[in-house]
Amino acid sequence: GAGVSQSPSNKVTEKGKDVELRCDPISGHTALYWYRQSLGQGLEFLIYFQGNSAPDKSGLPSDRFSAERTGGSVSTLTIQRTQQEDSAVYLCASSLYGYQNTEAFFGQGTRLTVV
Amino acid sequence: AQRVTQPEKLLSVFKGAPVELKCNYSYSGSPELFWYVQYSRQRLQLLLRHISRESIKGFTADLNKGETSFHLKKPFAQEEDSAMYYCALWGGGNKLTFGTGTQLKVEL
Repeated sequence: GAGVSQSPSNKVTEKGKDVELRCDPISGHTALYWYRQSLGQGLEFLIYFQGNSAPDKSGLPSDRFSAERTGGSVSTLTIQRTQQEDSAVYLCASSLYGYQNTEAFFGQGTRLTVV
Repeated sequence: AQRVTQPEKLLSVFKGAPVELKCNYSYSGSPELFWYVQYSRQRLQLLLRHISRESIKGFTADLNKGETSFHLKKPFAQEEDSAMYYCALWGGGNKLTFGTGTQLKVEL
């Protein structure tokens, strides 16, 4: 595709339910990143993929959060037993190698609201 | 640990006035600094990076290692510059650390 695509664009879920957020990176981009943007906060790093492996998961806030990437392409961020504090905009970005070498391109984000 | 601080949540200037968006960072090594911009209803995008030493849309930013700053400047603000600006630091590990952002509002 022309850019990084995220789905859904908006998600409202009940507290305690599981949600899956999807990211389609730019074709050929090996690096993929997930960030979270909460109200009044900066962009909080969650996880980084290089290919299908995740060398840095340090930003995942709890074990309710997990992410995977398959075929070196699509990535899914799963939040189990959602809590109200999980409400945020979740952004995905991809780049050809890594931030140092190339520009990262961001998706439009998924706005998650936990009620 | 690496940290980026943007002290102003909102900066309001008049069209034609100079703009300076402040960014300070904390990192023990040699960082690479970036400015990202998000226009209304658009996605976050790279504005400029310090290693390029270029001017984009009239904006420049100089890395000052002594003051650990990377302020974004433009001599004459335009209405279309109104947006959310994020300073970001790459300190290794393929992790970009972002500041909390500054909303720039250019008034006529």
